[in-house]
Amino acid sequence: EVQLVESGGGLVKPGGSLRLSCAASGFTFSSYSMNWVRQAPGKGLEWVSSISSSSSYIYYADSVKGRFTISRDNAKNSLYLQMNSLRAEDTAVYYCARDHYPRGSSSLPYWGQGTLVTVSS
Amino acid sequence: DIQMTQSPSSLSASVGDRVTITCRASQGISNYLAWYQQKPGKVPKLLIYAASTLQSGVPSRFSGSGSGTDFTLTISSLQPEDVATYYCQKYNSAPSTFGPGTKVDIK
Repeated sequence: EVQLVESGGGLVKPGGSLRLSCAASGFTFSSYSMNWVRQAPGKGLEWVSSISSSSSYIYYADSVKGRFTISRDNAKNSLYLQMNSLRAEDTAVYYCARDHYPRGSSSLPYWGQGTLVTVSS
Repeated sequence: DIQMTQSPSSLSASVGDRVTITCRASQGISNYLAWYQQKPGKVPKLLIYAASTLQSGVPSRFSGSGSGTDFTLTISSLQPEDVATYYCQKYNSAPSTFGPGTKVDIK
């Protein structure tokens, strides 16, 4: 069974940093691209970033480019999101999600439960 | 970047009604389009991918169609458990933008 478990969320002051983690199990982690998707309170889904299986291809939403860094450790079956220069508008539940298929662009059939990041003074 | 729009933003229908939600891409995306259902307080659930392929385990009352720029999600007979917000997402290339969502409830 595919499992994705996020951690690392919490309360941080504007301008601060936070590192999210996503522990994956139940599949061959090193074969799949992974994604971060966020949802601000009462708002819609926003794709944040994706990373290919070997970290060769990395993409970011314009809203986080230059502030957030996605990475992965295939030996540890883990995905990360380093978030710097945090702003109030980054307040959201952050979900880790796995691509459907090992190759090419695909939909997101597997999601974690999410971790809440609150940016407030 | 390609923008995704959805209409309507919300709708209210009776149990048993046929419900149709539209998603439009600002440029052609072939069939690289997924639909998700998110119930209040829950994690998004993939319903349909490749514009019209039903994800395993999803009831057959859900269907998707379209290609290029215009797509639809249809619920053939609305059930009480279908109360949720529905999102489309394009995934042909980054950014994998979501639509703004359509909130569906029961009249």
